[in-house]
Amino acid sequence: GIQVEQSPPDLILQEGANSTLRCNFSDSVNNLQWFHQNPWGQLINLFYIPSGTKQNGRLSATTVATERYSLLYISSSQTTDSGVYFCAVELYGNDMRFGAGTRLTVKP
Amino acid sequence: EPEVTQTPSHQVTQMGQEVILRCVPISNHLYFYWYRQILGQKVEFLVSFYNNEISEKSEIFDDQFSVERPDGSNFTLKIRSTKLEDSAMYFCASSPQGDSARYFGPGTRLTVL
Repeated sequence: GIQVEQSPPDLILQEGANSTLRCNFSDSVNNLQWFHQNPWGQLINLFYIPSGTKQNGRLSATTVATERYSLLYISSSQTTDSGVYFCAVELYGNDMRFGAGTRLTVKP
Repeated sequence: EPEVTQTPSHQVTQMGQEVILRCVPISNHLYFYWYRQILGQKVEFLVSFYNNEISEKSEIFDDQFSVERPDGSNFTLKIRSTKLEDSAMYFCASSPQGDSARYFGPGTRLTVL
């Protein structure tokens, strides 16, 4: 099956700093999503981005499908950005596979 | 904005008991899914459901598990005889098409004692 690797596993930032989270995957995919799991355990859909670049406020994401990676950028981080960020990929007709996540802690 | 809802938010049960977890997917979505997340671990796929039948299931989804869409709005996951290792957060998700974004519910935390 598809392997999904996320880096770094843990990240600690001061409020206001920028960060880049990476997701590598082992095969061509037709679906890639970034999620934020908040401290209450909810999975918040950030981006549906099988290819290209998208931006939503302080967050943006880029997927380079031919090179099998995706990046999530967080600018001017806030304490409410803390939580675990998951990348999940799907090859059409197969189940969606999640990475192990990046645990982000933003300190005031 | 429409969202996926799940009930209950937390379920505590005794080992060997049956539990039913309930989900209301987004109304115009056609594909439905269950995932689980054991505390501190990855989110794992359990099953996908389309056109009133299972379209795919993982090796986790054994004979103890079943899914049903009993009416036009609910989607349920039943665990027939719960085990301690079934303790996890269970997420329901839906999507309008099979290869489009999936929208997750808030989850049901199942604790098996």
